Amino acid sequence: GAVVSQHPSRVICKSGTSVKIECRSLDFQATTMFWYRQFPKQSLMLMATSNEGSKATYEQGVEKDKFLINHASLTLSTLTVTSAHPEDSSFYICSARDIVRAGAGDTEAFFGQGTRLTVV
Amino acid sequence: SQKIEQNSEALNIQEGKTATLTCNYTNYSPAYLQWYRQDPGRGPVFLLLIRENEKEKRKERLKVTFDTTLKQSLFHITASQPADSATYLCALGDSTLTFGKGTMLLVSP
Repeated sequence: GAVVSQHPSRVICKSGTSVKIECRSLDFQATTMFWYRQFPKQSLMLMATSNEGSKATYEQGVEKDKFLINHASLTLSTLTVTSAHPEDSSFYICSARDIVRAGAGDTEAFFGQGTRLTVV
Repeated sequence: SQKIEQNSEALNIQEGKTATLTCNYTNYSPAYLQWYRQDPGRGPVFLLLIRENEKEKRKERLKVTFDTTLKQSLFHITASQPADSATYLCALGDSTLTFGKGTMLLVSP
């Protein structure tokens, strides 16, 4: 299956600093990437939908100035958590769809391995 | 509002038995329903997709059913193995997926 690489897998940062998380589709092109957040024993909550070459669409309640998303190419999207605080500590996961396969009717999502962010 | 419900309690079964997990949804008319596996500290991995006009789908030891009248999907793992222990998520939607909380499956030797 298609591979999505997410980096870093773990990061610890000080309160007030910014952290960038990268999400790459390694063997396919993704016009759309999705960013999720997951708290322990909770569901994946969609934060935003990232479209290549345009502004991201944020879900209700997600601050776009705090969670900056850039999708500059068909294989790379980044999420920057700005001025991080302890309450931002969570597991962040990206996913992508293969635009070629999506056109054929397949709609499964391929996920990165996730990033565990801890803000101290 | 749209809701996806999965049994939040862990399912404990013995190796070799069939595990059955349930996904119920309300206020949805999905064209697809998907099942994913998630291991601790990892992203979900796609398992199966079933379309609204399909009642059942199989892949190796996995079987998924989809009842659009009951608004329910059942996920079966036959001849379960300890390596099947994980959290299983159901998801609905097309380009944007909404996930249930998942059910943790524990298969003991």
